[in-house]
Amino acid sequence: SQTIHQWPATLVQPVGSPLSLECTVEGTSNPNLYWYRQAAGRGLQLLFYSVGIGQISSEVPQNLSASRPQDRQFILSSKKLLLSDSGFYLCAWTVSRELFFGEGSRLTVL
Amino acid sequence: AQSVTQLGSHVSVSEGALVLLRCNYSSSVPPYLFWYVQYPNQGLQLLLKYTTGATLVKGINGFEAEFKKSETSFHLTKPSAHMSDAAEYFCAVSLNQAGTALIFGKGTTLSVSS
Repeated sequence: SQTIHQWPATLVQPVGSPLSLECTVEGTSNPNLYWYRQAAGRGLQLLFYSVGIGQISSEVPQNLSASRPQDRQFILSSKKLLLSDSGFYLCAWTVSRELFFGEGSRLTVL
Repeated sequence: AQSVTQLGSHVSVSEGALVLLRCNYSSSVPPYLFWYVQYPNQGLQLLLKYTTGATLVKGINGFEAEFKKSETSFHLTKPSAHMSDAAEYFCAVSLNQAGTALIFGKGTTLSVSS
């Protein structure tokens, strides 16, 4: 069966430090992959999606970037974190338009 | 442009009472509609979805939703609330035929009191 994993689960970083959140999917090939951010009171915001290796679409211009070095690996990065980057980050993948979410990564920028 | 509006950011009910969470959508193409539930510090879990066919959709945990094209609505209901239903609920609409992105509403937090 298909599973999706994110790590780390929680992260506390100082302003200006780099970020790397990793997501991997098991049990499927060539999935569509997504990064969402959930900030308090703001619902779910689509940040990036990818339909294949090296193919990244950005929905919102920001301080973050995404990469897909392998078919089932999706990485969210930042070179210098801002306070406003704090939030709950969710990786997801789709089959037949249904999204399956990872466990989430809570980032606190101090 | 496609969008989803969830009316009421917070809904409170008593245990055993009817749950009604409202969702209205805007879409230029026939929509695929979804409801997700999120428990604290967890990812989202699919409750139910409408694609084609029967407009009344039944999901997990006793929830159901009805697609009403004339009202552009997809409200979520449950006849009798349980304490374990307390969570945040998200309505979503599929943007395109390829299903490469979903648009989510801002969420409704459901509180259940005893």
